[in-house]
Amino acid sequence: DIVLTQSPALAVSLGQRATISCKTNQNVDYYGNSYMHWYQQKPGQQPKLLIYLASNLASGIPARFSGRGSGTDFTLTIDPVEADDTATYYCQQSRNLPNTFGAGTKLELK
Amino acid sequence: QVQLKESGPGLVQPSQTLSLTCTVSGFSLTSNSVHWVRQPPGKGLEWVGAIWSGGSTDYNSALKSRLSISRDTSKSQVFLKMNSLQTEDTAIYFCTGQLLDYFDYWGQGVMVTVSS
Repeated sequence: DIVLTQSPALAVSLGQRATISCKTNQNVDYYGNSYMHWYQQKPGQQPKLLIYLASNLASGIPARFSGRGSGTDFTLTIDPVEADDTATYYCQQSRNLPNTFGAGTKLELK
Repeated sequence: QVQLKESGPGLVQPSQTLSLTCTVSGFSLTSNSVHWVRQPPGKGLEWVGAIWSGGSTDYNSALKSRLSISRDTSKSQVFLKMNSLQTEDTAIYFCTGQLLDYFDYWGQGVMVTVSS
């Protein structure tokens, strides 16, 4: 199985930039696409797709969110951070079954 | 618009069988796949399994011996059955729709507690 490693928590001030990393133990690229996706989950809610295929913004997601990376190293950036962004962020790979998720990064405000 | 909704019992006794239903709308089961993802209280997300547009299935290897996913396309429903439940199966169970390679749409989830 592909293992995804995320830092457990991050504290950022309002208006600043948050960078969340996700590293995999295997390459998740295939034929020019990186099969890495990002989700936001707030307490008591279902996850919501933010970024798909490493760098594509999902429908309705503000441009403050962006993703980049390839191979085994990926980042989700939120710039500028707003109060509503406090949540847990998960990366997920779909290069190989089983689909696997990172353990999540909890974003808090300083 | 696309909607998925999970339903099922909130409480299951240990060693018994869990049966969940995911009812979808605005989403074709014969063109897209549906996956189940679970989340133990306070923990992360775990992929459980999937039923693909053609009707084939794939399961998390750790659960495969206890798990079955099926569907009724005429009712736009996907079913999850897991037997021999243990306390560690206590979780929120989500169904999620996949059009391409990622989970576009999520149900609100159903909390399942395994306890006597």
